[in-house]
Amino acid sequence: AQKITQTQPGMFVQEKEAVTLDCTYDTSDPSYGLFWYKQPSSGEMIFLIYQGSYDQQNATEGRYSLNFQKARKSANLVISASQLGDSAMYFCAMREVYNTDKLIFGTGTRLQVFP
Amino acid sequence: EAGVAQSPRYKIIEKRQSVAFWCNPISGHATLYWYQQILGQGPKLLIQFQNNGVVDDSQLPKDRFSAERLKGVDSTLKIQPAKLEDSAVYLCASSPHRAEGEQYFGPGTRLTVT
Repeated sequence: AQKITQTQPGMFVQEKEAVTLDCTYDTSDPSYGLFWYKQPSSGEMIFLIYQGSYDQQNATEGRYSLNFQKARKSANLVISASQLGDSAMYFCAMREVYNTDKLIFGTGTRLQVFP
Repeated sequence: EAGVAQSPRYKIIEKRQSVAFWCNPISGHATLYWYQQILGQGPKLLIQFQNNGVVDDSQLPKDRFSAERLKGVDSTLKIQPAKLEDSAVYLCASSPHRAEGEQYFGPGTRLTVT
């Protein structure tokens, strides 16, 4: 069965430092996509980055990069040069291509950036 | 480009009452999703529409929840009667195509059932 695991309920990072948020997944589908979303206190889910299972290179989007290790079934999010505005909940999600395209979400990690 | 719109943003009702939520997806997006996010958890899909047809409603409690997407644009999600455990944020999302690209989420409706 599809499953996303985020083992860090909360993380702290100092402004301008880098931080890694962990995500592991489980699927039997050979083709899938992995997503990271940010949810600030306002509640809206904001798309950050996407990695396809057949992508050869790790995805990057500005200060966000995804450390994709297929053999380990992990898709960790790396935020470089943290900013105070990065404080939010972060969710990892997976979509199986040959299933319905619903997203399966993890339980999230609350990131707090301090000055 | 306007984002996904939802209303109301907040709703408080008593158990056994009914409630309805409205969603207007991004213009031209064929696929629309309703997710339920209980406090401390990630969102869980309730129902997915492709245009005005249902693709997946396997996790929708059909004895009390219903949803429709008339004319393949706006959608409403209804709960009747509400239970305490329905307290959650209800998120609407849309995407231009199935199984491609990201889903764009609205701000959500926070429902409190007392």
